[in-house]
Amino acid sequence: QVQLQESGPGLVKPSETLSLTCTVSGASISRYYWSWIRQSAGKGLEWIGRMYTSGSTDYNPSLKSRVTVSVDTSKNQFSLKLSSVTAADTAVYYCAKEGAGDPVNRVFDFWGQGTRVTVSS
Amino acid sequence: EIVLTQSPGTLSLSPGERATLSCRASQSVSSSYLAWYQQKPGQAPRLLIYGASSRATGIPDRFSGSGSGTDFTLTISRLEPEDFAVYYCQQYGISPRTFGQGTKVET
Repeated sequence: QVQLQESGPGLVKPSETLSLTCTVSGASISRYYWSWIRQSAGKGLEWIGRMYTSGSTDYNPSLKSRVTVSVDTSKNQFSLKLSSVTAADTAVYYCAKEGAGDPVNRVFDFWGQGTRVTVSS
Repeated sequence: EIVLTQSPGTLSLSPGERATLSCRASQSVSSSYLAWYQQKPGQAPRLLIYGASSRATGIPDRFSGSGSGTDFTLTISRLEPEDFAVYYCQQYGISPRTFGQGTKVET
């Protein structure tokens, strides 16, 4: 069974960089697209970006200037960095796996449990 | 980006009743790349439907999806107690992937 687990600080100061890691078990990180998604009361569910181990990335234009998604295949992990955070970045952050094969399958079929990140001084 | 508008915001029903949830897109969703998720309090969303009408693995057949273009529907034929939750539609035909604002099904 595929499992994803987010980890990282629950509190980040304004203007600093939010850093989260997603550890994947039950699936090779080299075979799929992996995404970060966040959920806040104000904006609902928001897709942040995704990556493939080939180095291919795709980011939400609304966050693109501040986001980096990277992968560590040796640890079967991928990471999110969001710079210059403000209170508006306070949210529950999820990592998620996309289905493989035909593009119709490229939905978020497995999710982490989510980690709450608060931006506050 | 494609904006998804879900209606109604809240659906008040009883167990055994039929639920019909709507998702309307601001532009056509290519190849019916439309999915539905269920979310319960404190949990991550769970995939129910992909490709507008295909059930994900393990999803009961009381859940069905339909639609194409800009109008999509999720139907729960007979509500079970565990179906009371928030439901989101999501398009994955064009980047950025976007979600609707959700419909809460409550008893």
